[in-house]
Amino acid sequence: NAGVTQTPKFRVLKTGQSMTLLCAQDMNHEYMYWYRQDPGMGLRLIHYSVGEGTTAKGEVPDGYNVSRLKKQNFLLGLESAAPSQTSVYFCATQGGIGNQPQHFGDGTRLSIL
Amino acid sequence: AQKVTQAQTEISVVEKEDVTLDCVYETRDTTYYLFWYKQPPSGELVFLIRRNSFDEQNEISGRYSWNFQKSTSSFNFTITASQVVDSAVYFCALSSDNYGQNFVFGPGTRLSVLP
Repeated sequence: NAGVTQTPKFRVLKTGQSMTLLCAQDMNHEYMYWYRQDPGMGLRLIHYSVGEGTTAKGEVPDGYNVSRLKKQNFLLGLESAAPSQTSVYFCATQGGIGNQPQHFGDGTRLSIL
Repeated sequence: AQKVTQAQTEISVVEKEDVTLDCVYETRDTTYYLFWYKQPPSGELVFLIRRNSFDEQNEISGRYSWNFQKSTSSFNFTITASQVVDSAVYFCALSSDNYGQNFVFGPGTRLSVLP
C-alpha cells in the first residue's frame, strides 16, 4: 500500500509492557485513523485525527492513546498491554470527509502474552 | 446510529461460478456513501468501489458488479466467473456527512474460491 506505512509489522509483548505503533503517510491527507481487526468483528475504530494536533475517540478507545504532532504521523500507544489487545491494527488515511475512500497500511500484528 | 450487516460469514464456490456478497446498511442520513474493500490472504485492505446515495446506477468493472438498491438498503457485490485469486475477505462500509469522517464497517464475508 503505497503512501501509508505502519511500523512495526509484528510484535509480541508481555502483559503490562508498553509500546507505540507508528503510522506514516505521504499522501498529505488530513484525516488519519487507527482500527483494530478481530475475527468476526470487522474493523473497529480506536481513535482518529482530523488534522495535526487533534485527536478524538472512536468506538473502542479504552487502553489506547494517540498523538498527531505532525500531519504525516499518527502514533498509537499502549501504556500497559493486556491480552485483550491482541489484534491486528490498521492505520488509514482519508483525503476528505464522507465520500472519500480510506487508504490503509498493511497492518501490525500484535500479540500480548 | 449507523450499521452495516453482512449476513454471510463464509462462502465457498468452485472456480467459474458466480457469487453474490450481500451488504445491508442502516442510516438515518439522506446523504451517505457506501464502499467495498477486499482483504486478500496477504492481509492488506484494498479499496474496490464507492457509491453515493444519490446515484443508484449499478456499476460493472470487469468481472465485478455492484447492485445498489435504496428501497432495500442494500449494496450487493457480484463476482462473475469467480477465480481463485478472488479468495479474500470482503468488507462493506458506510459513511455519511452527518456522521463526520467515520466509517462503519460490516463484519466481512470470507470468500473461498476452490479450483
